Amino acid sequence: NAGVTQTPKFRVLKTGQSMTLLCAQDMNHEYMYWYRQDPGMGLRLIHYSVGEGTTAKGEVPDGYNVSRLKKQNFLLGLESAAPSQTSVYFCASSETGGVYNEQFFGPGTRLTVL
Amino acid sequence: KNQVEQSPQSLIILEGKNCTLQCNYTVSPFSNLRWYKQDTGRGPVSLTIMTFSENTKSNGRYTATLDADTKQSSLHITASQLSDSASYICVVSAVDRGSTLGRLYFGRGTQLTVWP
Repeated sequence: NAGVTQTPKFRVLKTGQSMTLLCAQDMNHEYMYWYRQDPGMGLRLIHYSVGEGTTAKGEVPDGYNVSRLKKQNFLLGLESAAPSQTSVYFCASSETGGVYNEQFFGPGTRLTVL
Repeated sequence: KNQVEQSPQSLIILEGKNCTLQCNYTVSPFSNLRWYKQDTGRGPVSLTIMTFSENTKSNGRYTATLDADTKQSSLHITASQLSDSASYICVVSAVDRGSTLGRLYFGRGTQLTVWP
């Protein structure tokens, strides 16, 4: 049981390049989330999904797109990377979206945009 | 404005000592409060969850308290170990009537360093 895994662990992009971050969970969770963590700030929600085939915007969605084609995978895409998107990205999943449900986090992807 | 403030921002203690981390929040309507531990280079892991009616909850050497009247929580670490070195994040959940999930508000974390 690997929990939540993320690939890649590190990535360096040039401004304008595109990339996709992959998140996978093996807990059969319905809900999945993408967050970014910047120095001196709390985690901020980018997008989330309440089930296979669904996505919704979070707090800071601009510049990102997501897809949830399979229940176990949640992809985060950057179509044209900008230096402001330099951050650590965390994926999380939870059994449901209820307020008492614990979110389980992946190990993170450190992205640098030059 | 819904906010979660943590103090101190960073803390250094010697191995074996106790410490207390603080979390003040203005989130409403309040549902529950979690403390997460985030090791360097890892994702956050939940330590405790507390609801409105709970005052104290323990998880090994970690004890969380909640005062819902003053909207304050603390995380007390007893007999600290080197492995306690991490960022501790306070997360408050609110019932978000406008969406399908509860809304989470994350604090910025307290960076704890335990020295031998």
